[in-house]
Amino acid sequence: KQEVTQIPAALSVPEGENLVLNCSFTDSAIYNLQWFRQDPGKGLTSLLLIQSSQREQTSGRLNASLDKSSGRSTLYIAASQPGDSATYLCALIPGGGADGLTFGKGTHLIIQP
Amino acid sequence: DTGVSQDPRHKITKRGQNVTFRCDPISEHNRLYWYRQTLGQGPEFLTYFQNEAQLEKSRLLSDRFSAERPKGSFSTLEIQRTEQGDSAMYLCASSLLEFYNEQFFGPGTRLTVL
Repeated sequence: KQEVTQIPAALSVPEGENLVLNCSFTDSAIYNLQWFRQDPGKGLTSLLLIQSSQREQTSGRLNASLDKSSGRSTLYIAASQPGDSATYLCALIPGGGADGLTFGKGTHLIIQP
Repeated sequence: DTGVSQDPRHKITKRGQNVTFRCDPISEHNRLYWYRQTLGQGPEFLTYFQNEAQLEKSRLLSDRFSAERPKGSFSTLEIQRTEQGDSAMYLCASSLLEFYNEQFFGPGTRLTVL
C-alpha cells in the first residue's frame, strides 16, 4: 500500500526566506504527483503537477521536483511572503492512473511578516 | 463559472439522519472524485466516476455511504444513518483524463453530526 509522508509537519520562517518542503512515498510506481495548497477551512488549490516521466515543474516562485527512484518530491518556495501561509499537501496517483489521490498529512507553513 | 462547486457548504444534522451532498464538476471534465478530510489529516479517497460509470467504490467507508453520477455531469454523495464519526469535510474534485488527470477541488461540504 502506497504511503505518503511529509516533513516537517509545521514550519515557521521569516518573510523573504527560501524554503523547501519534503514529501516521500513508499512505492515508486506512480502515475503523477500533485502539490496543493489549503487555506483553513477551505478546499484545495492545485499548485503543480509532475507527470511520472518528468523531473520538475515550475510556476512563478514555486518549483517542484520528483525523484521516483528515491521516492521523494520537494516543493521549493522562493522569496516567501505572508500570503504563502497555508497547509501544503503532497498527493500522488499510484500505478496506471486508475485511482484517486493518496495524500500526505501536509506541512503547515507560517510566514512571519 | 469555471470551478468545481459543492452544495451545501455546511450541514449540521442529528445522529441517525440521512444527508446528501451535491458536486458540480468543471464542465467537460470526465472524471469526478469524492474525498473525506478530518482535522489534521490529508484527504482520504472514497470513490470516483468516469462519466457516469462508478469505477471504484471499495474505498467507501461503509455501506451507509453511496454515490451517484446519473448523467455523467453532477454527482451526489449520500450518507445514511449518520454517526458522530462521520463529521468531516467532504471534498469533490474533477479532472480530464486526457490532461494527466490533474485534479481540481471544490470548496468542500463541512458536515457536523450532533
